[in-house]
Amino acid sequence: EVQLVQSGAEVKKPGESLKISCKGSGYSFTSYWIGWVRQMPGKGLEWMGIIYPGDSDTRYSPSFQGQVTISADKSISTAYLQWSSLKASDTAMYYCARIRGSGKFDYWGQGTLVTVSS
Amino acid sequence: DIQMTQSPSTLSASVGDRVTITCRASQSISSWLAWYQQKPGKAPKLLIYKASSLESGVPSRFSGSGSGTEFTLTISSLQPDDFATYYCQQYNSYWGAFGQGTKVEIK
Repeated sequence: EVQLVQSGAEVKKPGESLKISCKGSGYSFTSYWIGWVRQMPGKGLEWMGIIYPGDSDTRYSPSFQGQVTISADKSISTAYLQWSSLKASDTAMYYCARIRGSGKFDYWGQGTLVTVSS
Repeated sequence: DIQMTQSPSTLSASVGDRVTITCRASQSISSWLAWYQQKPGKAPKLLIYKASSLESGVPSRFSGSGSGTEFTLTISSLQPDDFATYYCQQYNSYWGAFGQGTKVEIK
């Protein structure tokens, strides 16, 4: 069974750093792209960027380029999303999802809620 | 960047109604379009891909059509479990963007 299990909710202060994770199981982790999607409170889905764990090829939406870093450790089948300096506007639910074919998300993690507040 | 626009933003309907949601792309995306359903507090679920292909396990009352810049998601007979928010997503060569969503509410 394909599963993506994300790390737990985080509460951080502005300016702090953060790295959240997404562990894949039940399939060949290095053979599928993984994407990250943001959902701000009460808002829609935003495509942030993707990574191919096989070679760490990474692509970012222009809206998120320079704001976050996507990485992966194929030895432990885990993808990451990280911030070096959080802002209050980073408060959101973040989902990872597996990509099948050329870009559709077929399996999703349960989401990680990030709250940034002073 | 390709922009995706859904209409309507909110739709009120009754059980048994036929429901249609439209998604327009700012430029041609061929058939590289997916539809997702999201319920409150849950991750989205893939319903339709490549504009009209039904994902495995998704009820046949869901269907998709269109190509180029205009696409539709149709629910042939709305069921209680279908009240949710629906998103379209364009994808091509591993780039993607979502529409703003359509909330289907109980009338």
